[in-house]
Amino acid sequence: QLVLTQSPSASASLGASVKLTCTLSSGHSSYAIAWHQQQPEKGPRYLMKLNSDGSHSKGDGIPDRFSGSSSGAERYLTISSLQSEDEADYYCQTWGGVFGGGTKLTVL
Amino acid sequence: EVQLVESGGGLVKPGGSLRLSCAASGFTFSSYSMNWVRQAPGKGLEWVSSISSSSSYIYYADSVKGRFTISRDNAKNSLYLQMNSLRAEDTAVYYCARDPVAGREPAAEFDYWGQGTLVTVSS
Repeated sequence: QLVLTQSPSASASLGASVKLTCTLSSGHSSYAIAWHQQQPEKGPRYLMKLNSDGSHSKGDGIPDRFSGSSSGAERYLTISSLQSEDEADYYCQTWGGVFGGGTKLTVL
Repeated sequence: EVQLVESGGGLVKPGGSLRLSCAASGFTFSSYSMNWVRQAPGKGLEWVSSISSSSSYIYYADSVKGRFTISRDNAKNSLYLQMNSLRAEDTAVYYCARDPVAGREPAAEFDYWGQGTLVTVSS
């Protein structure tokens, strides 16, 4: 069964960097995923598609501060130079409409 | 600019019906598969249904199969979700979302989202 696992929460300081993790279930380590951001009281926003080799393609208008990388079954979203508006829920998602549980990012 | 605007949400009693709409603009609507995704209060995202560009392929989550019907009108650039036999657990914000790749069967992947419409099922 295809499952995506995310830590429920993360925090980092204003101006710092943070790396969020999404783990694919066993047997699915070659799958691409997408990262979506959901700011409070807003609809989700597509950030990027991230392939198993670490290549990624970002959505329209997504700043260079957002980047993706991969290692085995792990998919990462790195946000550098954190800003207050980056405080949001981040969801990974893969083929077939499977979503991770989301990570709530707090910017300190 | 791609825009997706949902409407039609509201308060409905258990067992009742509601029809959601999504008005699309800024892209060639008839070329893309479209999707509905929902989010219960305080919870994560859940895929609900997908429809191909010509309505030839339609898929539903098990939780709504037999109760919800997705449809589209390419002439009106609109996507719909007819929801029948509603239950308390259907209470959620419903989002319309576009598939990233034109011309393919629905893959339940999403690159543009609407702002959502709230459906509350309660007596």
